[in-house]
Amino acid sequence: GAGVSQSPSNKVTEKGKDVELRCDPISGHTALYWYRQSLGQGLEFLIYFQGNSAPDKSGLPSDRFSAERTGGSVSTLTIQRTQQEDSAVYLCASSKDSYNEQFFGPGTRLTVL
Amino acid sequence: DQQVKQNSPSLSVQEGRISILNCDYTNSMFDYFLWYKKYPAEGPTFLISISSIKDKNEDGRFTVFLNKSAKHLSLHIVPSQPGDSAVYFCAASEETSGSRLTFGEGTQLTVNP
Repeated sequence: GAGVSQSPSNKVTEKGKDVELRCDPISGHTALYWYRQSLGQGLEFLIYFQGNSAPDKSGLPSDRFSAERTGGSVSTLTIQRTQQEDSAVYLCASSKDSYNEQFFGPGTRLTVL
Repeated sequence: DQQVKQNSPSLSVQEGRISILNCDYTNSMFDYFLWYKKYPAEGPTFLISISSIKDKNEDGRFTVFLNKSAKHLSLHIVPSQPGDSAVYFCAASEETSGSRLTFGEGTQLTVNP
């Protein structure tokens, strides 16, 4: 079956602009995660959705970052007023529930000029 | 505060020999550990995991060892194959945070034919 998909694969934007990154999880997966990987760093947790529960936003680096998950499926990560330090690969993962293996998408490479 | 550390950014081994990748952690609340493998332009893929109640888990050529007293785990690949060349990430989670993962920085493994 289809894996986790993300769009766009690459995004170049100017400092100060807003961007939206999309994640389509594997059908039926109730848990969805966003991570980011900055150059030379490991993956950094951003936010986690589980079913209808309130999301765990504890990893979001600032209030310029927000995410939503509509209908328990597709998720959008929004970064407002982008800064150069936001440049990274943003990875989405989904799992059957909170205690199962996470399947990752290919990521969106964001470059802020 | 880097709670999961992979001190070797790179490792090079000969085909057929053993590859040993190391990982250290500081958070004693971590009770589940995973290794992910990542090829360029792809998302990480799950490789093998171990619960804190065990000290060893084996799956084919891959074995993960956990030393809780030393807060150290390692991944052994025997025999190593050129197709194993990838970045390997160590990750950990606490039961209380669901399966939100904390990742190390990754180790680039190169297996030479």
